[in-house]
This record gives sequence, structure tokens and C-alpha cells, in this order.
Amino acid sequence: GQQVMQIPQYQHVQEGEDFTTYCNSSTTLSNIQWYKQRPGGHPVFLIQLVKSGEVKKQKRLTFQFGEAKKNSSLHITATQTTDVGTYFCADQGAQKLVFGQGTRLTINP
Amino acid sequence: DAGVIQSPRHEVTEMGQEVTLRCKPISGHDYLFWYRQTMMRGLELLIYFNNNVPIDDSGMPEDRFSAKMPNASFSTLKIQPSEPRDSAVYFCASSRTSGNQPQHFGDGTRLSIL
Repeated sequence: GQQVMQIPQYQHVQEGEDFTTYCNSSTTLSNIQWYKQRPGGHPVFLIQLVKSGEVKKQKRLTFQFGEAKKNSSLHITATQTTDVGTYFCADQGAQKLVFGQGTRLTINP
Repeated sequence: DAGVIQSPRHEVTEMGQEVTLRCKPISGHDYLFWYRQTMMRGLELLIYFNNNVPIDDSGMPEDRFSAKMPNASFSTLKIQPSEPRDSAVYFCASSRTSGNQPQHFGDGTRLSIL
């Protein structure tokens, strides 16, 4: 079945540094959704990417969908302690989401 | 509007006991999903329903697991008998339609089987 690989598994940064997580697939992705899960919390929807090459921004967060629709990335500029959590990408195909393993972000204040 | 409501929030029980997890989706959402999250396996889809009908249960681990959705506002996930390896956080999520719609997750049930 469809597999979505996400890297890195963990990332620790100093507050103010940038952060990027990558989502890859060997097959074409349908639509990519990104979720954030705070420690002890539940996944919360951030954004959806549909079109090849699409770029969307939410304040300090930039989301990209690859031209071939086989990869996606989330970049956070100048991290803040509120960005702590696990970021998941998920491919929405065949009526269900296939989640990547997530990237756990920790931040040194 | 109320979000997805799950109960209980925490459950600790001994192996062999029956466990029932409950979920109330967001009103008007016609898709409901049950997930299991562990450190080892991440977030796994167990089963999902469309208009109260189970569509895909290929993620259900084994016959000890069963799920029902008797009406549009209620679903249960049952484990009988429970085993220690079932310990995990179980999430319920709902969405308005499939395709291009975000899923809204409940707070989850943290299940510990001793």
C-alpha cells in the first residue's frame, strides 16, 4: 500500500533557528495534509496542498508540494517555543489518510 | 461548536477484560475514523465509517477488535479480550466529506492494559 516517509524523525533546535521536515513517497501523492500534535494532545489540521508545485504560507510556516507530487515540506522560520510538537504529513487517497511517522520538534529556549 | 468527543480519557484495566471506547463525531460530519497511536507504529488507521457504514476495516489488528456506529452521533471501538500490547492512545476523528477535507480529532483515550 501507499507509504509516506517523513524525515527527520526528531529535530532539536535553539529558539530562533529554522526547522524543516520532509515528506516523501515513491508513488504520486494525491493531496497532502499537514497536522501538528502538541505533547499530550491530538493532531490538529494545519493545511492542505493539492496542486503540483503549490506553496502556501501561514505566518512563519511555509508548506510546499513538489512538482512531481512525490514530496512535500514544511519549513518554520525563526522557531518559537510554541512550535514544539510533532508534525505529520498525510496523503489523502482513496478516502483515507495515510500518515507519515511524524517529525518531533523540540526547542531549547 | 463542540468538537469530537471521546470517552473515557484514560482507561486502565487488566488483561482479559473487555474495553469499550466511545466517540461522538462533530454534527454534520459523515465520515468517522478510528486511529491507534503508539511510539513504535505511529498513527495507524483502524477503521472508518461513511454514513454509519463501515467502509474499510483492513487496519483492525485482529478479531479481538470490533467497531460499530449505530447512528450518526455515536461510535464504539471494543476490544475483547484486551492484551497488554493493546496499550496505546486511541483517537477518533470525523470529517465532513472524503477528499479535500480536514479530519478533526478528539482528545483521545489513553488505554493501559496491565
